[in-house]
Amino acid sequence: EVQLLDSGGGLVQPGGSLRLSCAASGFTFSSYIMTWVRQAPGRGLEWVSAITDNAGSTYYADSVKGRFTISRDNSKNTLYLQLNSLRAEDTAVYYCARDKVLDYWGQGTLVTVSS
Amino acid sequence: QSVLTQPPSASGTPGQRVTISCSGSSSNIGSNFVNWYQQLPGTAPKLLIYNNNQRPPGVPDRLSGSKSGTSASLAISGLQSEDEADYYCATWDGSLNGRVFGGGTKLTVL
Repeated sequence: EVQLLDSGGGLVQPGGSLRLSCAASGFTFSSYIMTWVRQAPGRGLEWVSAITDNAGSTYYADSVKGRFTISRDNSKNTLYLQLNSLRAEDTAVYYCARDKVLDYWGQGTLVTVSS
Repeated sequence: QSVLTQPPSASGTPGQRVTISCSGSSSNIGSNFVNWYQQLPGTAPKLLIYNNNQRPPGVPDRLSGSKSGTSASLAISGLQSEDEADYYCATWDGSLNGRVFGGGTKLTVL
């Protein structure tokens, strides 16, 4: 059974940092593109970042470019998102999802940016 | 302001057929596959349709997707109360070099 487990969220002050993790199981993690999507409270879905199967290429939304870094450790079946220079508008539930079609999603982890 | 345009709301009565539209441009829908997701309150989104009109295992055939030019649509026939949810379209945008979502459509079953 495919499972994605998001973790690492929490309360952080503006300008602070967090690292989110997504632990994958039930499939060959190293064969899939992986993606982060976020959802601000009461708002729609926003694509954040994606990384190819071998980490050879990464992609970012303009809203996070230069502040967030996506990475993966295929030996640990884990996807990461490093969030730096956080702003209030980054407050959201962050989901990891599998493949280009986002066929499986994690349960999400809440990031709250507030002083 | 989302790159893909969806109506904010839609509604129907049990048994009816409803359609949700998703409008884009040549750089996104016009040149890439469209996927549709359902999100129930407090839960993660679920893939309903991929590659314009393909259903993953377990998604009933009363749900269907289509695409024409720079627009796509999701049709739900035989509407049921459990279909009440938010629905999102998504695709890749070659100009933005990123994936884009519609703003979402809240479906109400009256």
